Amino acid sequence: EAGVTQFPSHSVIEKGQTVTLRCDPISGHDNLYWYRRVMGKEIKFLLHFVKESKQDESGMPNNRFLAERTGGTYSTLKVQPAELEDSGVYFCASSQVLVYGELFFGEGSRLTVL
Amino acid sequence: GQQVMQIPQYQHVQEGEDFTTYCNSSTTLSNIQWYKQRPGGHPVFLIQLVKSGEVKKQKRLTFQFGEAKKNSSLHITATQTTDVGTYFCAGPKYGNKLVFGAGTILRVKS
Repeated sequence: EAGVTQFPSHSVIEKGQTVTLRCDPISGHDNLYWYRRVMGKEIKFLLHFVKESKQDESGMPNNRFLAERTGGTYSTLKVQPAELEDSGVYFCASSQVLVYGELFFGEGSRLTVL
Repeated sequence: GQQVMQIPQYQHVQEGEDFTTYCNSSTTLSNIQWYKQRPGGHPVFLIQLVKSGEVKKQKRLTFQFGEAKKNSSLHITATQTTDVGTYFCAGPKYGNKLVFGAGTILRVKS
């Protein structure tokens, strides 16, 4: 069974540019999460999809961040325009069970904004 | 702000020594999960504790969930170089949002 896959693994962009990160969850997992880890700090929650619906987007930093999950399968996270403080590793995770569920993380997408 | 506190932030031990990381929440948790992230890797689920006072063991790893379900610990006996990485605890907040602690970085000297 394929795990959670993320693309790209690393992106280097200049301030003001746009980047789109993609996540393919494990097949059959309705729950999809985006997290961010900045400078070795805590893994910070961004948002949670249940199928195509945003269940909780309380962790999204501001309106420069837009997440979608059309059709309830893969998800994209767009940052536009990118700022220096957006640099970090963006992790996607999926789970089958909504409550008490183990999260399966992808390898992460490292974003560097110069 | 951060709602799950984890200490220590960093620990460097000699191979064979024991290691413990502690996790504390300001509120009662329905469950707590532990993850390990190897350097350059991604978080990998280790275990979930649900019951008050629960203790679970995985080989050299012992996980505890406090009686009040506000704290937890991970203890590694006789560390090995393969144990290096960052250990995170995580608890659900406001429904199903899993909030992670800042993690404890473990380095093992051989």
